[in-house]
Amino acid sequence: AQKITQTQPGMFVQEKEAVTLDCTYDTSDPSYGLFWYKQPSSGEMIFLIYQGSYDQQNATEGRYSLNFQKARKSANLVISASQLGDSAMYFCAMRVPFSGGYNKLIFGAGTRLAVHP
Amino acid sequence: GAVVSQHPSWVICKSGTSVKIECRSLDFQATTMFWYRQFPKQSLMLMATSNEGSKATYEQGVEKDKFLINHASLTLSTLTVTSAHPEDSSFYICSAKALLVHSTDTQYFGPGTRLTVL
Repeated sequence: AQKITQTQPGMFVQEKEAVTLDCTYDTSDPSYGLFWYKQPSSGEMIFLIYQGSYDQQNATEGRYSLNFQKARKSANLVISASQLGDSAMYFCAMRVPFSGGYNKLIFGAGTRLAVHP
Repeated sequence: GAVVSQHPSWVICKSGTSVKIECRSLDFQATTMFWYRQFPKQSLMLMATSNEGSKATYEQGVEKDKFLINHASLTLSTLTVTSAHPEDSSFYICSAKALLVHSTDTQYFGPGTRLTVL
């Protein structure tokens, strides 16, 4: 079964420190994509980073990097130099195929990150 | 780029009325739009997927006649909650996927609509 697991309901980090948010996935499809989204208290979902299953290198976008370990089926998000504005809910998602040749996203339960000054 | 708008951002209505929520991709054409529902402190639940010019595909357990979806153009999809009841109160979020040749299928989300049914 296709599944995304985020085992950390909440995380705390000191401002300017790095933090890792865990995400593991399960799929039998050899082609898949993994996404991280940020949801601040205002509610909008902000796309952060993408990793394709065939990508040779770990994805990076500014202060965000994805620690992709294919054999372990993990796609952890690393935020470097945390800022107060990083406090939000973070969702890991996986692209999965469904009927008609289309794809959809399945989401993990999310991790709430609190950055302390 | 990749901006998705949603209107209204919040709505309060009486039980039994219908509410329409619009989702627009502002700077790109969207082959596919998605509608999600999110309860407080929970993850997103996909309700339905809509492709321009064709019928929406609903997830199991989502009532088609209750949640009407119309995807009239490559930039607009609407969700109508018909005969709304208090249990329909929730945060509804749409997303859009760009029409690109080499696409990662990244979905860009709207800001969401908070629906409260009295």
